[in-house]
Amino acid sequence: EPEVTQTPSHQVTQMGQEVILRCVPISNHLYFYWYRQILGQKVEFLVSFYNNEISEKSEIFDDQFSVERPDGSNFTLKIRSTKLEDSAMYFCASSVEDRAYGYTFGSGTRLTVV
Amino acid sequence: AQRVTQPEKLLSVFKGAPVELKCNYSYSGSPELFWYVQYSRQRLQLLLRHISRESIKGFTADLNKGETSFHLKKPFAQEEDSAMYYCALSVYGNKLVFGAGTILRVKS
Repeated sequence: EPEVTQTPSHQVTQMGQEVILRCVPISNHLYFYWYRQILGQKVEFLVSFYNNEISEKSEIFDDQFSVERPDGSNFTLKIRSTKLEDSAMYFCASSVEDRAYGYTFGSGTRLTVV
Repeated sequence: AQRVTQPEKLLSVFKGAPVELKCNYSYSGSPELFWYVQYSRQRLQLLLRHISRESIKGFTADLNKGETSFHLKKPFAQEEDSAMYYCALSVYGNKLVFGAGTILRVKS
């Protein structure tokens, strides 16, 4: 069964550093998403991406965050200057259609900001 | 505002006992509801969606619009059901709003 792959599985970074989280969506999927889960809290929507542009973003997704699909396969989430409160599990998802029932999630990247 | 409430952080049952994981939602539109499961250190996997009205791994869930609930049920719990379960609401068809999750522990 096709999978969404996320790397790395765990990243530790110093506060103020830039970090890039990588995701390889399922090859025929067109819609891409990032969610995050702070320890002990809910999984929260960050951003959706289609046709090389952001289609929707949440209030969490401020100017410190950006997404891109640089090479047609990887889908990346960049945090420009990490803060302690960015420590969370970040999940990537992809879908053939822009419908929630079509999501496939990756296994997540645990980001720890120290 | 859209909200999903899972009132129990942890539900512990014995093997063979019935299971009910509670989920209530708040949404003014026509809801699409899902249950996701996350086994230890693995990815979020879709378990059920209300539209399909199917039974997966013996689990069922019925959407009750009057009570705004979508409780997950299984008549006889098995040890391999131990996992984190998330109820989620689809907003505008694409974005998901998740509940806080319930850890299900099935004891032998």
